[in-house]
Amino acid sequence: GENVEQHPSTLSVQEGDSAVIKCTYSDSASNYFPWYKQELGKGPQLIIDIRSNVGEKKDQRIAVTLNKTAKHFSLHITETQPEDSAVYFCAASITGYSTLTFGKGTMLLVSP
Amino acid sequence: GAGVSQSPSNKVTEKGKDVELRCDPISGHTALYWYRQSLGQGLEFLIYFQGNSAPDKSGLPSDRFSAERTGGSVSTLTIQRTQQEDSAVYLCASNTGDNQPQHFGDGTRLSIL
Repeated sequence: GENVEQHPSTLSVQEGDSAVIKCTYSDSASNYFPWYKQELGKGPQLIIDIRSNVGEKKDQRIAVTLNKTAKHFSLHITETQPEDSAVYFCAASITGYSTLTFGKGTMLLVSP
Repeated sequence: GAGVSQSPSNKVTEKGKDVELRCDPISGHTALYWYRQSLGQGLEFLIYFQGNSAPDKSGLPSDRFSAERTGGSVSTLTIQRTQQEDSAVYLCASNTGDNQPQHFGDGTRLSIL
């Protein structure tokens, strides 16, 4: 089955800096890659997703890049703010197998 | 509109008791998923319902776990004879189908004493 590795497990940055979280996946058939933000006591909230037919997608301060050859994808957050502090999860799925396989998460702490 | 609703938000029970967790998906979403999140861990898939198809139960960890989805909407996850290792947050998600964004509820935090 699919295996998703996520790094780093924790990330501390100063407000205004950029943050990058990286994930690798094992199954070359995976073609959908969402990113979720989870705040304490809440369920994961989708923040951005990318499909395998594109290499990059951007939404304001958030961007995701995908390298299908290397089987890795990354989340980039620019101009970080304290409210960006949360746990971020990457995930992957294959068309026809709708369930998501998640990474173990990255705790991002943005210090003012 | 309303998001995915889960109840109860917290549940504390004694080892050996049965528990039922409820999920109300977003109206119109045909697919429903249950995941389990243990402390400091990622989300582990449990079971998936799509329309009237037979559910994908491949993630259920033991035969003490079962789930139903009645009328293509509300789902109930049942854990029989609970064990301490069942303590976790149980999350429900729904979407409109294959490879579409999944929307999560806030989960039920289950504690087994």
